[in-house]
Amino acid sequence: ELKVEQNPLFLSMQEGKNYTIYCNYSTTSDRLYWYRQDPGKSLESLFVLLSNGAVKQEGRLMASLDTKARLSTLHITAAVHDLSATYFCAGIGGSQGNLIFGKGTKLSVKP
Amino acid sequence: EAGVTQFPSHSVIEKGQTVTLRCDPISGHDNLYWYRRVMGKEIKFLLHFVKESKQDESGMPNNRFLAERTGGTYSTLKVQPAELEDSGVYFCASSQFGIRETQYFGPGTRLLVL
Repeated sequence: ELKVEQNPLFLSMQEGKNYTIYCNYSTTSDRLYWYRQDPGKSLESLFVLLSNGAVKQEGRLMASLDTKARLSTLHITAAVHDLSATYFCAGIGGSQGNLIFGKGTKLSVKP
Repeated sequence: EAGVTQFPSHSVIEKGQTVTLRCDPISGHDNLYWYRRVMGKEIKFLLHFVKESKQDESGMPNNRFLAERTGGTYSTLKVQPAELEDSGVYFCASSQFGIRETQYFGPGTRLLVL
C-alpha cells in the first residue's frame, strides 16, 4: 500500500525567504497532488504532477516530481504572509482513485 | 459554479448518540469520496461512490458507519452510535469523470464526541 511522508510538518519562515517541502512516497503512484488548506476551509488543489520530471509553477510556488526517487518537492520562493496555510501532498492509493495523504506541512510566514 | 458543500460545519455530540453528516458534491460529478482526519493524523480515505453505487468502502472503520448516496446526488454519512475515537474532521470530495480526475474538497465537518 502507498505510504506518503511529508517533511517538515511545521515550517516557520520569514517573508522573502525560500524553502522546500518534501514529499516521499513508497510505491508507484501515477500522479502526485499538492493541496493547500486554509484554517476551516476546503482543500484547494494546487498542482497535479503526472510524469517523471514534471515541473509546475504558480506564482511563488513550484512543484516537481522525480518518480525514480519517489520524491516530490514544493518550493516556495520569496515567501509572503498570504502563503501561510497547511500544504498536503497525496498520491493515488487504490484502483478507484482514493487519495493517500501525507500528514501535511503547516507553513507560517512571518513578517 | 458552486463547490462541494458539507453540513453541518461543526457537531458536538455525546458518546452513544447518532450523527448524520451531509455532502453535496459539485453538480454533475459522478464520483464522491469521504475522508476523515483524526487530530494529529493523516487525512484517510473512507469510501467512494460512483453515482449511487459504493465502489470502495475499504476505509470504513467499522459497522457503526453507514454511507448512502440516494439518487446519485448528495451523500450522507451516519455514525451510530458515536464513540470518542470518531472525533475528527470529515471531508467530502467529488470528481467529474474518471477516478483519476482532480478531486474537489468540501470544507469538512468537525465532529467532536464527548
